Amino acid sequence: NAGVTQTPKFQVLKTGQSMTLQCAQDMNHEYMSWYRQDPGMGLRLIHYSVGAGITDQGEVPNGYNVSRSTTEDFPLRLLSAAPSQTSVYFCASMLGGGANEQYFGPGTRLTVT
Amino acid sequence: QKEVEQDPGPLSVPEGAIVSLNCTYSNSAFQYFMWYRQYSRKGPELLMYTYSSGNKEDGRFTAQVDKSSKYISLFIRDSQPSDSATYLCAIPGAGTYKYIFGTGTRLKVLA
Repeated sequence: NAGVTQTPKFQVLKTGQSMTLQCAQDMNHEYMSWYRQDPGMGLRLIHYSVGAGITDQGEVPNGYNVSRSTTEDFPLRLLSAAPSQTSVYFCASMLGGGANEQYFGPGTRLTVT
Repeated sequence: QKEVEQDPGPLSVPEGAIVSLNCTYSNSAFQYFMWYRQYSRKGPELLMYTYSSGNKEDGRFTAQVDKSSKYISLFIRDSQPSDSATYLCAIPGAGTYKYIFGTGTRLKVLA
């Protein structure tokens, strides 16, 4: 199993550009989520999905869109990049709710200039 | 008040030292408590989890929960340079799929 994969690993965007961060998992997990990690702020939940076709907002959803058309894929779209979105983005998946282990991808380092 | 508070460090210790990492939380309904380890430029990985109060031991690592004071701890015995990482406490939200993460404590073990 590849686990959770993310592409790209690094990205530089100019303010106002849009892009999609890709996330895929091959563990047949229902739950997938996107976090951003900033110094001193820890992991903050952006959006999450509890199954194909079902998504919901997390703690910091503004400026991001998600969709979940398949169990495997959960892309994160930046609509109009801003310098405040410079961060490291992690995708995670989990078999179900409760106290299950979250499996994280390797992260995407995004810089917005 | 944040739901989970964690001292960000950094914490530097000599090899072989006992390390104590701590978090406090505010919601008495929380039942499961987890510790994730994150190496530099990697995603977090689950290290240990405990249910309710008490201790759980796994090799050199011990996780401890004190529900009466809403305090969770991770102890590392005989710390090694390979333990150098950021340690995040994590609590699954009661009745939801959402996790609440601490900010993480950066640990450096000096050889």
